[in-house]
Amino acid sequence: KQEVTQIPAALSVPEGENLVLNCSFTDSAIYNLQWFRQDPGKGLTSLLLIQSSQREQTSGRLNASLDKSSGRSTLYIAASQPGDSATYLCAVNGANNLFFGTGTRLTVIP
Amino acid sequence: DAGVTQSPTHLIKTRGQQVTLRCSPKSGHDTVSWYQQALGQGPQFIFQYYEEEERQRGNFPDRFSGHQFPNYSSELNVNALLLGDSALYLCASRRMVSGGVEKLFFGSGTQLSVL
Repeated sequence: KQEVTQIPAALSVPEGENLVLNCSFTDSAIYNLQWFRQDPGKGLTSLLLIQSSQREQTSGRLNASLDKSSGRSTLYIAASQPGDSATYLCAVNGANNLFFGTGTRLTVIP
Repeated sequence: DAGVTQSPTHLIKTRGQQVTLRCSPKSGHDTVSWYQQALGQGPQFIFQYYEEEERQRGNFPDRFSGHQFPNYSSELNVNALLLGDSALYLCASRRMVSGGVEKLFFGSGTQLSVL
């Protein structure tokens, strides 16, 4: 069964810092990997989707990489802002459903 | 273009009761999945509906059941509620395509509290 792990569980950084969130998964047979943002008590907002054949995707200040063979993905956030404070979830798509990690709770201090 | 919409947003029930949650998928989407997210955890897959049939199911008991209507909207039913069913229930939709898997879009969820 696919298991997804996210490290660290929580992260606090001063505004303006660059940061990296990590995600690892046990089964490399995936279709794609998605990074989501979740604000407290809210649904999920998709940030980036990387197909299994891709190595990275970029959107604005966000860059996600995927190394399928080693079962790892990273989400890089440049020049962090207080509005980036949220929980970031990594999810791998095995076929018809997503397997989620438990998330990294990010706090950006003004 | 409305995204995925869920109702109600919040619900309080007591143990042993039954509950029905509703979801309307994003326009153009025909596949609906349901997820349960306990506090501090990642979402867990409950089941997926396509063409009005349950296509895949996660590790949830039969107390959890669902339905998809011809307009692609969906319901999640939970019978004999337990305290442990308290969670945020998320609906997600996408288009079913051959040879690939498209991005899932999530609703804002229904927060269920079982007392």
